[in-house]
Amino acid sequence: AQSVSQHNHHVILSEAASLELGCNYSYGGTVNLFWYVQYPGQHLQLLLKYFSGDPLVKGIKGFEAEFIKSKFSFNLRKPSVQWSDTAEYFCAVNARNTDKLIFGTGTRLQVFP
Amino acid sequence: NAGVTQTPKFQVLKTGQSMTLQCAQDMNHEYMSWYRQDPGMGLRLIHYSVGAGITDQGEVPNGYNVSRSTTEDFPLRLLSAAPSQTSVYFCASSPLRTVSEQYFGPGTRLTVT
Repeated sequence: AQSVSQHNHHVILSEAASLELGCNYSYGGTVNLFWYVQYPGQHLQLLLKYFSGDPLVKGIKGFEAEFIKSKFSFNLRKPSVQWSDTAEYFCAVNARNTDKLIFGTGTRLQVFP
Repeated sequence: NAGVTQTPKFQVLKTGQSMTLQCAQDMNHEYMSWYRQDPGMGLRLIHYSVGAGITDQGEVPNGYNVSRSTTEDFPLRLLSAAPSQTSVYFCASSPLRTVSEQYFGPGTRLTVT
């Protein structure tokens, strides 16, 4: 069965610092990959997705992620965070031979001015 | 479009009571799903549907029933509520007949005493 690991449970940064959140999955076949964000008091919304093609994908609000197939990873990055990026971030994986989207446990990001 | 709507927003149940969480979408999406969100555990898939008349189990289906009689609606039923079902429940939909970008509803916060 597929599973998703997010090793950073809580990250605290100052504004303008760089961000990298780790995401690893366990599934040997073809996958679709997603990062979702949940701002305080709001529901989840899509940050970016990877289905195929260029393994470096760009999303909204300056976020990007890189799919490294050999490492089963899909890490999220942002060169310079803002206070408004304070939120919980979820990585999610869909194994293409299934109809299930499996989420990681999430990473809580706090950005201080 | 209203997107994905969920009712109620909050609910308190006593152990053993039953209730139905409502979910509706007006985007003519084929795929719909239910997740529960618990602290430190991320989102876990309860049930999903790839179209009207078709449902299947996710990661944590026990204690929950679903049906999909129309494309628009995907209610989640708790037949006999237990304290372990205290959680925030999210409904989501996707435009394709399989997992793709999911649009989430605002959630229902359920407490079982």
